[in-house]
Amino acid sequence: GAGVSQSPSNKVTEKGKDVELRCDPISGHTALYWYRQSLGQGLEFLIYFQGNSAPDKSGLPSDRFSAERTGGSVSTLTIQRTQQEDSAVYLCASSFPGWPEAFFGQGTRLTVV
Amino acid sequence: AQSVTQLGSHVSVSEGALVLLRCNYSSSVPPYLFWYVQYPNQGLQLLLKYTSAATLVKGINGFEAEFKKSETSFHLTKPSAHMSDAAEYFCAVSDSSSASKIIFGSGTRLSIRP
Repeated sequence: GAGVSQSPSNKVTEKGKDVELRCDPISGHTALYWYRQSLGQGLEFLIYFQGNSAPDKSGLPSDRFSAERTGGSVSTLTIQRTQQEDSAVYLCASSFPGWPEAFFGQGTRLTVV
Repeated sequence: AQSVTQLGSHVSVSEGALVLLRCNYSSSVPPYLFWYVQYPNQGLQLLLKYTSAATLVKGINGFEAEFKKSETSFHLTKPSAHMSDAAEYFCAVSDSSSASKIIFGSGTRLSIRP
């Protein structure tokens, strides 16, 4: 597709389960970002991948959160042992080399019950 | 470290009135600055960006923003509000000297009164 694709669009999981969220960036975009948007809150930076450089993981809230990017394209955000406070919309974005702005996907709404 | 402060979590204006959404940034290097808009139940869309060219930047839907280095501000304005402008607006900053993450403010919800 032409835009950033995220799947699933909605995910309901039980407390304590692990979840994986997927992001397919726009073709050719070397930078990829994950953000978390909680109800009524702004966008909380989680992790940033740029090409082959080591990712900037400074925003990950705990060691239950991890992300990887395979082949410089698709990324997976994994949340282990989910807690109710993890409920939020997880947004992925990507950007093209030399372009400063990021293009966002529609997000994955995660609900932990 | 870079940061963004948006003054006012909620702004309400009358249709046809001036829209002013405030954003102040902190950056130790020349910044790139952005305004994004999020309509209800939709993703984020770039409204406009500042990348060290003209300090007055024009965006989509009649919005514009002015980069003022002396005030470390990048306020968003629109001369005449439309009902369709009701949305959440986010200011964001990144480091222009190297590829870096984009840091967002907490957002301002704009409501338009008929």
